[in-house]
Amino acid sequence: SQTIHQWPATLVQPVGSPLSLECTVEGTSNPNLYWYRQAAGRGLQLLFYSVGIGQISSEVPQNLSASRPQDRQFILSSKKLLLSDSGFYLCAWSPPAGADYGYTFGSGTRLTVV
Amino acid sequence: GEDVEQSLFLSVREGDSSVINCTYTDSSSTYLYWYKQEPGAGLQLLTYIFSNMDMKQDQRLTVLLNKKDKHLSLRIADTQTGDSAIYFCAESVTLISNFGNEKLTFGTGTRLTIIP
Repeated sequence: SQTIHQWPATLVQPVGSPLSLECTVEGTSNPNLYWYRQAAGRGLQLLFYSVGIGQISSEVPQNLSASRPQDRQFILSSKKLLLSDSGFYLCAWSPPAGADYGYTFGSGTRLTVV
Repeated sequence: GEDVEQSLFLSVREGDSSVINCTYTDSSSTYLYWYKQEPGAGLQLLTYIFSNMDMKQDQRLTVLLNKKDKHLSLRIADTQTGDSAIYFCAESVTLISNFGNEKLTFGTGTRLTIIP
């Protein structure tokens, strides 16, 4: 069966520090991978998606970047965090082309920038 | 463009039915989804409906789709305290047309509170 792992669960980082959040998927090949951010009291905003190794698409301009060094690994990074980067970050995956049954989400990382 | 709207809050007495409403804008959506988020957790897929269906029932959950009005609703019968959560509506949009991948656009979520 497929599982998705996301870590860390919580993170408190000072302004200007770097960030690295990791997400891995097991039990499937060539998944589509996604990073979402959920700000307090707001919905989910799609940040990045990837349909293959090294293929990253950005939905919104921002202080963050994403990389996919391996088929089932998706990393969200920042060189210098801003206060506005605080939020709940969710990684998700879906099967490759033709999948119509939604996404499977990780358990999320709550990031607080202080 | 895609836009999904939901009410932010809903309070329901235990044992009553809850109805959570959603409107979406993209008429080409093939699937529409309901996700549940419990406190501090990720999103869990509750149910989905194909765009050529009007209704789907799954135990206590009933999904109604009015494609003409682009209106989706989730009815939870006999609401229990364990149903307290944020419920997200989402529509699918084709991400890359030649690969058939989809992108989900989520609403803001409706926080369902159960009154004892």
